[in-house]
Amino acid sequence: GDSVTQMEGPVTLSEEAFLTINCTYTATGYPSLFWYVQYPGEGLQLLLKATKADDKGSNKGFEATYRKETTSFHLEKGSVQVSDSAVYFCALDSGAGSYQLTFGKGTKLSVIP
Amino acid sequence: NAGVTQTPKFQVLKTGQSMTLQCAQDMNHEYMSWYRQDPGMGLRLIHYSVGAGITDQGEVPNGYNVSRSTTEDFPLRLLSAAPSQTSVYFCASSDRDSGNTIYFGEGSWLTVV
Repeated sequence: GDSVTQMEGPVTLSEEAFLTINCTYTATGYPSLFWYVQYPGEGLQLLLKATKADDKGSNKGFEATYRKETTSFHLEKGSVQVSDSAVYFCALDSGAGSYQLTFGKGTKLSVIP
Repeated sequence: NAGVTQTPKFQVLKTGQSMTLQCAQDMNHEYMSWYRQDPGMGLRLIHYSVGAGITDQGEVPNGYNVSRSTTEDFPLRLLSAAPSQTSVYFCASSDRDSGNTIYFGEGSWLTVV
């Protein structure tokens, strides 16, 4: 079945540091890929997405590129802020319908001043 | 601009009690689903619905029931609560017009003692 593997946390960075959170996936067919963010005490919000190979999703300074050859969708940001502290989830939609997401286990990011 | 609304936000149950988590969306979305979030496990799909009158099981359906009598509402019923059902529950909705974007509620924190 489909699966998503993302780097274990927690990750602690200083403000303005470069962020990479690795995500790889296993899926049949051509999945859509997502990054969701969960701020403390809140639900999940879509951060960015990519629906086909070589697509780059971007939002709020975050970027991720859909790499079919390496089955990866790594999240990057050039300069993190304290307000980026949250849990980040990589997920895929296998294409069977937009009601089923397979999630990674989440990576907790803490940014310190 | 309500989106996906879940109630209650917090609940404590005794083992063996039953309860219903309510979920309503005002976006006229076809698809609705329930996930549970456990530490180190990411989110796992419990049940989903592709339209009024249609429901199906996800990855972890045991101990839960759902129904979809209207497009707007998708309640999740715990039949006989067990400590293993202590979790955070998220309702989500989407449809083809939302472009693969799934919208999540703010979560319901459930503790079974």
